[in-house]
Amino acid sequence: SQQGEEDPQALSIQEGENATMNCSYKTSINNLQWYRQNSGRGLVHLILIRSNEREKHSGRLRVTLDTSKKSSSLLITASRAADTASYFCAMPRGVYSGAGSYQLTFGKGTKLSVIP
Amino acid sequence: GAGVSQSPSNKVTEKGKDVELRCDPISGHTALYWYRQSLGQGLEFLIYFQGNSAPDKSGLPSDRFSAERTGGSVSTLTIQRTQQEDSAVYLCASSFGTSGGAPQYFGPGTRLTVL
Repeated sequence: SQQGEEDPQALSIQEGENATMNCSYKTSINNLQWYRQNSGRGLVHLILIRSNEREKHSGRLRVTLDTSKKSSSLLITASRAADTASYFCAMPRGVYSGAGSYQLTFGKGTKLSVIP
Repeated sequence: GAGVSQSPSNKVTEKGKDVELRCDPISGHTALYWYRQSLGQGLEFLIYFQGNSAPDKSGLPSDRFSAERTGGSVSTLTIQRTQQEDSAVYLCASSFGTSGGAPQYFGPGTRLTVL
């Protein structure tokens, strides 16, 4: 089944530094989404990038997508202690057709620690 | 403008008991999803509702798990004869529309512990 794999599994940086997380996946996608999870509870949607997009920005977040390499990266610039969380990439299982298209499959996440 | 809410936030039960977990999606969201997350793992899809119907139940791990949604709104996930391996955080999400490109909005989850 389609599943993203985040890399690294854990990342520890100083406040103010940039954090880069990567996601690789196996089959064609229509879009890829990034989510943040604090303290093992609810996830927050951060950004969605479609397969025909190469880069997208939202505030301090920058997401790239390389469909030829089946990979995406999430860059958080000027990190803050409040950015400490787990970050997941997710993608719809299907390709907009039939049941299962709307189910998101998640990787195991990158645990980011930002040290004040 | 409330987000997705779930209850209870924590549930401790004894092995063999039945539990019901509740999800209130964002008003107007037609799609509702249940996932579970075991310690240190990613999210595992359980079931998805479009309105009151569940086109995709493929993720339910066993016939002890069932879910329903009424009035296109509230959903309950029921686990019968709970087992210790059912211990996890159960997350509900909703989205507006069923396009695979629609962001999903998650509730805070219910942490289930089966003793």
